[in-house]
Amino acid sequence: GPKVLQIPSHQIIDMGQMVTLNCDPVSNHLYFYWYKQILGQQMEFLVNFYNGKVMEKSKLFKDQFSVERPDGSYFTLKIQPTALEDSAVYFCASSLRQGTGQLYFGEGSKLTVL
Amino acid sequence: GDKVKQSPSALSLQEGTNSALRCNFSIAATTVQWFLQNPRGSLINLFYLVPGTKENGRLKSAFDSKESYSTLHIRDAQLEDSGTYFCAAEARNYNQGKLIFGQGTKLSIKP
Repeated sequence: GPKVLQIPSHQIIDMGQMVTLNCDPVSNHLYFYWYKQILGQQMEFLVNFYNGKVMEKSKLFKDQFSVERPDGSYFTLKIQPTALEDSAVYFCASSLRQGTGQLYFGEGSKLTVL
Repeated sequence: GDKVKQSPSALSLQEGTNSALRCNFSIAATTVQWFLQNPRGSLINLFYLVPGTKENGRLKSAFDSKESYSTLHIRDAQLEDSGTYFCAAEARNYNQGKLIFGQGTKLSIKP
């Protein structure tokens, strides 16, 4: 089926550093998402993005978080500065449309903040 | 409270048996997706449902929006079916495309 690629698969950084997680969504998809999963727990919505803009963000999407997709390249999630509680697996997803569109997820980027 | 409640939270089955997983919604769910998160952590799409039923091999899923629940039936369970099953719903009054996940059912298949 359609593939969403995420880079890196795992990153370890020191608290206070910046990290950028990259997502290559399905090629003809228009809507992009980030979800957060703390180990063993359920997936939580962070943000969705369409036509260059954030459409909705949750309470988990702190001021230190930002997303962009410059010129159709990677859809990125940047955290600056990172905090210990940012340690989690971050999943990117994309869909062709909303409301009747199936979301396809990447394999996740595991972030460990020390 | 839990907008999407999955049951059971964990289940252990012998290979070759059948099982049923369930999600109850306290929101007005419009679409449902079922995923399997394998031991590596990858999310595998199983079903995308508007109200109705779908079947794929040994898996069958149903979504009843009026009664606010969805089920996933696994027939003749195999070892590779082990993992955590998540249901997730889109809902009226929520931004479309925002999936609300259940807490998962951890399924272990034993030989």
